[in-house]
Amino acid sequence: GDSVTQMEGPVTLSEEAFLTINCTYTATGYPSLFWYVQYPGEGLQLLLKATKADDKGSNKGFEATYRKETTSFHLEKGSVQVSDSAVYFCALSLRSNDYKLSFGAGTTVTVRA
Amino acid sequence: DGGITQSPKYLFRKEGQNVTLSCEQNLNHDAMYWYRQDPGQGLRLIYYSQIVNDFQKGDIAEGYSVSREKKESFPLTVTSAQKNPTAFYLCASGSPRFGRGGNEKLFFGSGTQLSVL
Repeated sequence: GDSVTQMEGPVTLSEEAFLTINCTYTATGYPSLFWYVQYPGEGLQLLLKATKADDKGSNKGFEATYRKETTSFHLEKGSVQVSDSAVYFCALSLRSNDYKLSFGAGTTVTVRA
Repeated sequence: DGGITQSPKYLFRKEGQNVTLSCEQNLNHDAMYWYRQDPGQGLRLIYYSQIVNDFQKGDIAEGYSVSREKKESFPLTVTSAQKNPTAFYLCASGSPRFGRGGNEKLFFGSGTQLSVL
């Protein structure tokens, strides 16, 4: 079935370090891809998205590029801040599956000052 | 303010008891969803509804029930048949578009933590 696999955490970084969270997907068809972020004690918020191959989603200094050849959608940020500490979820949706979101397991990121 | 509201924030269930989690949205969204979040397992879909008076099972519907009598409301009942109900429950809503991009505008509530006494 359709699924998302993302790197396991937790990830601990120092402020201003480079962050990469790997995400790969398996899907029949051409999914839309998303990164959601969950801050402590809250629900999820959409961080960025890409709807077709080679699209780059970006928001708040985060970027991810839809790579069809490697079925990947890795999240990157060049210089993290303490406020970026959160759980990050990669997800996909497919028209053939009523556009329901399928989530990865989540990666916990902690940024230390 | 427009948004999606879940209540209560914390809920405790006794053995053999049914409990109901509330989810209300004033975003005029057609679709609503219930997810269960367990540590290290991400989010799993319990039920979803794309229109009033209609809903479908997700991946882990056993032991749960829902209703969608109003567009704004999508309550989830955790029945006594759910043997491992302790989890964080998230409700979401959105407006699926039948084209590229789908329902990327999913809005999530702040969740309900359910625990067993």
